[in-house]
Amino acid sequence: QVTLEESGPTLVKPTQTLALTCTFSGFSLSTSGMGVAWIRQPPGKAPEWLAVFYWDDDRRYIPSLGGRLTITKDTSKNQVALTLTNVGPEDTATYYCARRHRPGYFDVWGRGILVTVSS
Amino acid sequence: DIQLTQSPSSLSASAGDTVTITCRASQHISNHLNWYQQKPGAAPRLLMYVASSRFSGVPSRFSGSGIGAHFTLTISSLQPEDFGTYYCHQSYTSPYTFGQGTRLET
Repeated sequence: QVTLEESGPTLVKPTQTLALTCTFSGFSLSTSGMGVAWIRQPPGKAPEWLAVFYWDDDRRYIPSLGGRLTITKDTSKNQVALTLTNVGPEDTATYYCARRHRPGYFDVWGRGILVTVSS
Repeated sequence: DIQLTQSPSSLSASAGDTVTITCRASQHISNHLNWYQQKPGAAPRLLMYVASSRFSGVPSRFSGSGIGAHFTLTISSLQPEDFGTYYCHQSYTSPYTFGQGTRLET
């Protein structure tokens, strides 16, 4: 059974760095075509893809966040982490991690974590 | 970035109806178009991938079609549990984008 679970802070102050972790099980990120993606959804809005870590260690980011994002992998722990620097109120959202399956759909999602940016 | 425009933004239908949601891409994306259903408080759920392939466990009343830049999701014989918001998503090229959503009320 494939599962993913997000963890991290639920409240972050403006200008701080948000650090989230996705712990997954039931599949290997080393399998060709696999990836783990981060997607966020502001309240009442559509999902927004943020970043993906691929099986071959390639990574992609959404350009509009201007380099504020970093995605990393810890193979020994089956985890993919996301950091977002210099957060602001516009970063308030539910953050999901999801398995990316070839050729690119997200077939299994975590439950999500609601992160609020507020002083 | 590839923009995805869904129509309608919302619709109301009754059990037994057939509804169609459209997703138009701002450029050609072959068949790299996926559909998700989302209910309040839950994560999106994959329904269709590569435009017309039904994901495991998805009822056969859901069907998808299209190629290039015009895609549709059709739900036949609507059931009460089909309410929610539907999103299209392109996996053709990064950044991978979503449509703005179609809210289906039954």
